[in-house]
Amino acid sequence: AQSVTQLGSHVSVSEGALVLLRCNYSSSVPPYLFWYVQYPNQGLQLLLKYTSAATLVKGINGFEAEFKKSETSFHLTKPSAHMSDAAEYFCAVRLNFGNEKLTFGTGTRLTIIP
Amino acid sequence: DTEVTQTPKHLVMGMTNKKSLKCEQHMGHRAMYWYKQKAKKPPELMFVYSYEKLSINESVPSRFSPECPNSSLLNLHLHALQPEDSALYLCASSLHTLSGVESFFGPGTRLTVL
Repeated sequence: AQSVTQLGSHVSVSEGALVLLRCNYSSSVPPYLFWYVQYPNQGLQLLLKYTSAATLVKGINGFEAEFKKSETSFHLTKPSAHMSDAAEYFCAVRLNFGNEKLTFGTGTRLTIIP
Repeated sequence: DTEVTQTPKHLVMGMTNKKSLKCEQHMGHRAMYWYKQKAKKPPELMFVYSYEKLSINESVPSRFSPECPNSSLLNLHLHALQPEDSALYLCASSLHTLSGVESFFGPGTRLTVL
């Protein structure tokens, strides 16, 4: 079975500081991995995805994530936090053999301290 | 057009009412999804339609009835709901259900059952 674990339900960083949101996956086959962001009272927006083309993936709004098979991780980073980054972030996994299900982690709420 | 639209944005209904949620996309996607999201939780998959056919029903109670009239439209018919069904209902679409493709989410319908 596939799953993702997000360590830290709440993360607070100062404006301008590094953002690091953690995601570890569990999958018996190579997975496809996604990071989504959800602003209050809105739907989910795709930040970036890993589909085995490159281990370092760059996304929108200055975010990037690195796929590390040895660590079964896909952590999300941004060098310098902005106030507008405050939101809920979800890591999600989908198996790469025709699986229709997108399985979400429990989410991490990012707070930016002025 | 690269968005998924959902109507209405907000819905309040009594336990004896019948109402419907509507979702539309014009991206040529052939897979459409309904998710339910409770506060501070990740989205939970309810239904998957692939090429207008129901392919996954995640053991959703029969008071929720999905319908896919054509490749661009997805409805969720609601009848005799319970207060615990109050949640944000998200629609999503993807090019197909094969792995690696991202899902595009609508803004959601905020449902309150009195």
